[in-house]
Amino acid sequence: DIQMTQSPSSLSASVGDRVTISCRASQSIRSYLSWYQQKPGKAPKVLIYAATSLQSGVPSRFSGSESGTDFTLTISSLQPEDFATYYCQQSYTTPITFGQGTRLEIK
Amino acid sequence: EVQLVESGGGLVQPGGSLRLSCAASGFTFSDHYMDWVRQAPGKGLEWVGRSRNKVYSYITEYAASVKGRFTISRDDSKNSLYLQMNSLKTEDTAMYYCAGQDSYGSGSYPWWGQGTLVTVSS
Repeated sequence: DIQMTQSPSSLSASVGDRVTISCRASQSIRSYLSWYQQKPGKAPKVLIYAATSLQSGVPSRFSGSESGTDFTLTISSLQPEDFATYYCQQSYTTPITFGQGTRLEIK
Repeated sequence: EVQLVESGGGLVQPGGSLRLSCAASGFTFSDHYMDWVRQAPGKGLEWVGRSRNKVYSYITEYAASVKGRFTISRDDSKNSLYLQMNSLKTEDTAMYYCAGQDSYGSGSYPWWGQGTLVTVSS
């Protein structure tokens, strides 16, 4: 199975901060990487697909980048509604695997 | 508007069975791979399994943790996805989501249901 190692597991930041969350795949997954945001009691919501493509309707402050097996989600200027848990997901092959999540909290 | 609505969750004893349903609307259900993803209380997301579409002969795939106990099926005429869960264990306790895979081949899930809670306990 492909392991997705996400870091950090938690992060404290302030409104307006630039934040980056990392995800490393245990082997090549090409660009089959998505990022999700999940708020308490809600289903996940896709932000980025194909490593760098912004899902329709998602604010442009969210962006994704890739370098080999390393992937990054960047939030350019945190807004109050961005405090949530974020997951990466590889869809290169089954079993589909997710990172363990990054909880983004208000400082 | 795309909607996925899960139902069928509840409390069941270890060793018991449960059948979850997911009713889809707002998109061409038959064209899409459909997956089940679960989330144990306070934990991360775990892929359960997949139903491919008709073009790919409705092939199903499963996580190792549920293979042989869970069965995924679909009825395109009813725009519905199902998860038959047998021999349930306490570690199967989770919120179960159905998720629709995108149509442009990235493998992401743009569509999720609200989830249905399965509790396995004596």
